[in-house]
Amino acid sequence: DAGVTQSPTHLIKTRGQQVTLRCSPISGHKSVSWYQQVLGQGPQFIFQYYEKEERGRGNFPDRFSARQFPNYSSELNVNALLLGDSALYLCASSFLITGANTGELFFGEGSRLTVL
Amino acid sequence: GQNIDQPTEMTATEGAIVQINCTYQTSGFNGLFWYQQHAGEAPTFLSYNVLDGLEEKGRFSSFLSRSKGYSYLLLKELQMKDSASYLCALNYGQNFVFGPGTRLSVLP
Repeated sequence: DAGVTQSPTHLIKTRGQQVTLRCSPISGHKSVSWYQQVLGQGPQFIFQYYEKEERGRGNFPDRFSARQFPNYSSELNVNALLLGDSALYLCASSFLITGANTGELFFGEGSRLTVL
Repeated sequence: GQNIDQPTEMTATEGAIVQINCTYQTSGFNGLFWYQQHAGEAPTFLSYNVLDGLEEKGRFSSFLSRSKGYSYLLLKELQMKDSASYLCALNYGQNFVFGPGTRLSVLP
């Protein structure tokens, strides 16, 4: 069974540019979350989408946006890139909105973004 | 904030037992999860606790005390492949709040 897939795996951008990252969840999973992981730190929550609707947003500026498509895949967009946006962007899927049950997240390998 | 704290680095010997602690100053979370992350790879789920007490899964066990704001992950019979970062995370429904992670090095 295919796991969570993300593309691209690595990319380099310059300040001010825009980037789009893509994610395909595990088949049957309807929830997709995005996390930013700066080197040496734990992942930080950006967005969660469930059934194509935004269900949660972390403390990130409006330059960050996302959407979920009818097939449950998702895109994360970041505009006006800053040096500080350099990080590993992780997509995670789960079958349900995480709650008190075993709402474990299944992570993709991530997209490593470098902003120069 | 949730102020989740973990030791930055730990070292242990192959075959030994190691306990990785996680402390936090918050409440109202649904559960506490532990993830393993090898360098350059995605985090993978290890264990979780909703209620206080010990949950055992093979060589890995996790403990939670909500009243003390404390959890730990216990790794037994350490293997070289256990060298990785270990992340504790609090679940709040729509999102997880992760700690900074503990980098464990297992030495022969």
